[in-house]
Amino acid sequence: NAGVTQTPKFRVLKTGQSMTLLCAQDMNHEYMYWYRQDPGMGLRLIHYSVGEGTTAKGEVPDGYNVSRLKKQNFLLGLESAAPSQTSVYFCASSYGTSGNVELFFGEGSRLTVL
Amino acid sequence: GENVEQHPSTLSVQEGDSAVIKCTYSDSASNYFPWYKQELGKGPQLIIDIRSNVGEKKDQRIAVTLNKTAKHFSLHITETQPEDSAVYFCAPHLTWGTYKYIFGTGTRLKVLA
Repeated sequence: NAGVTQTPKFRVLKTGQSMTLLCAQDMNHEYMYWYRQDPGMGLRLIHYSVGEGTTAKGEVPDGYNVSRLKKQNFLLGLESAAPSQTSVYFCASSYGTSGNVELFFGEGSRLTVL
Repeated sequence: GENVEQHPSTLSVQEGDSAVIKCTYSDSASNYFPWYKQELGKGPQLIIDIRSNVGEKKDQRIAVTLNKTAKHFSLHITETQPEDSAVYFCAPHLTWGTYKYIFGTGTRLKVLA
């Protein structure tokens, strides 16, 4: 049981390049989330999904797109990377019902934009 | 939306002492109050949580207390150990109707041996 797996773990991009971060969970969770973590800023919600085929904006969605084509996968895309998007990105998932709201996190993806 | 503040932002304690971290929130409708621990190089992990119908919950050396009237809840760690050194986050929210988990800015706890 792998839990939440993020790929890649590290990536360096040049300004203007595009890339996709992949999050996969094997717990049959309905809800999935993408956060970014910057020093002194805590975890900020980028986008989230409450089920296959659905997505919604979080606190800081600009410059990112997401897709949830399969229940177990949640993709985060950067169409034109900027230095301000240098951060550590975390994916999380949860069952989503009122009785099971614990978030399970991946180990993070460190992105550097030069 | 929910406005969440944590205090202090950093905390250093001697091994064996107690540590207390406070989380203040703005949305009076919040009914679920978790604390997450993030060790270096890893994702956050839930360590304890409390729901709004309970005032206090303990799990060995850690406890969470809730004051819904004042809209704050606190994490208490007793007999601190070096492995308690980490960043701690609170994430109060409503368990139905919305699923935007907003986290506090974190508290870095250092336990000095």
